[in-house]
Amino acid sequence: QLQLQESGPGLVKPSETLSLTCTVSGGSISSSSYYWGWIRQPPGKGLEWIGSIYYSGSTYYNPSLKSRVTISVDTSKNQFSLKLSSVTAADTAVYYCARHASAFDIWGQGTMVTVSS
Amino acid sequence: QSALTQPASVSGSPGQSITISCTGTSSDVGGYNYVSWYQQHPGKAPKLMIYEVSNRPSGVSNRFSGSKSGNTASLTISGLQAEDEADYYCSSYTSSSTFSYVFGTGTKVTVL
Repeated sequence: QLQLQESGPGLVKPSETLSLTCTVSGGSISSSSYYWGWIRQPPGKGLEWIGSIYYSGSTYYNPSLKSRVTISVDTSKNQFSLKLSSVTAADTAVYYCARHASAFDIWGQGTMVTVSS
Repeated sequence: QSALTQPASVSGSPGQSITISCTGTSSDVGGYNYVSWYQQHPGKAPKLMIYEVSNRPSGVSNRFSGSKSGNTASLTISGLQAEDEADYYCSSYTSSSTFSYVFGTGTKVTVL
């Protein structure tokens, strides 16, 4: 069955760029039926949609993060990636990748990213 | 875009039914039938429980049901069980920006 796995540094310095990759296994990221998204959850807080990408490369971002977010896709590697620039302590969170159509139906296990010097 | 509003906590005894509300606006919950609900146990990834207001994914117990009236969606858990104790989040597509999603504030369900 389809699985998603996040990977990337667990510690990022303030003002630097957070970079994460989500690897899709057990299915193709090029499915025309789905989008691929990033969601984050600060410690003890709720979920926040960061943005999504279609396999063609079309991107959609949360307006509150749009100026700092870039999501890209590599169909040859069955991966999609997140870059969040100029991070601060407020960006400390568990970052999830997920597949979605009208709802986020398959999630990765999440990866904790801490912003600290 | 503002988070959808959910009660911070809801509790019930085993076997009882509880309902969690999710209030938005005509730009999200009220405007689209793209409301979904997620269950999250501590330290785990969210799990989809309801999609498109009232549809259950394969494998989700029929004790979970969803509905919507105006700008408020609801998740009902009937026959409450100990394993239902978790955080629950609603989500909706929103037209506040081109192709955008918003989550609810989250509700802690406690089984007494």
